[in-house]
Amino acid sequence: GENVEQHPSTLSVQEGDSAVIKCTYSDSASNYFPWYKQELGKGPQLIIDIRSNVGEKKDQRIAVTLNKTAKHFSLHITETQPEDSAVYFCAASLSGSARQLTFGSGTQLTVLP
Amino acid sequence: GAVVSQHPSRVICKSGTSVKIECRSLDFQATTMFWYRQFPKQSLMLMATSNEGSKATYEQGVEKDKFLINHASLTLSTLTVTSAHPEDSSFYICSARTDGGKTQYFGPGTRLLVL
Repeated sequence: GENVEQHPSTLSVQEGDSAVIKCTYSDSASNYFPWYKQELGKGPQLIIDIRSNVGEKKDQRIAVTLNKTAKHFSLHITETQPEDSAVYFCAASLSGSARQLTFGSGTQLTVLP
Repeated sequence: GAVVSQHPSRVICKSGTSVKIECRSLDFQATTMFWYRQFPKQSLMLMATSNEGSKATYEQGVEKDKFLINHASLTLSTLTVTSAHPEDSSFYICSARTDGGKTQYFGPGTRLLVL
């Protein structure tokens, strides 16, 4: 089955700096890679996703890159703000099938004011 | 994005009682819903996958007789924790996906505390 590894487990950045979180996956058949943000005591919220037919996707301060050959994908947050502080999870799956998401272990991002 | 609700948001119960958690997709029909459990500072652990009108598929190690799942309609799935014990205390989160859809939308979670 799929295995997703996520690094780092914790990340502290100064407000205004960029943050990068990286994930690797094992199943080359996976073709859908979402990123979720989870605030304390709340459910995960989808913030961005990417499919295997593109290498990069951007939405304002958030971007995701995908390298299918190396089987890794990354989340980039620019101009970080204190409200970006949360736990971020990457995930991978084979879309359009019954296969469920396989999650990474999560990254606690702290943006210091 | 699509909205998924859960009720209750938190529940405290005595050991040995049963607790029902509801998961609803508010603005779309969800043929597939997922139930996860999350312990503090850990990732989401998939418990089971439920498809409307059929039996749920449980992950290895999850007792189907203890965690009863019903997906009776395209907008509602329920998880019943039967004979709850303190070790069942956790954060339970559901998610929903449309038929053939790629995106999973998560509910806000239910905090269960068993005394």
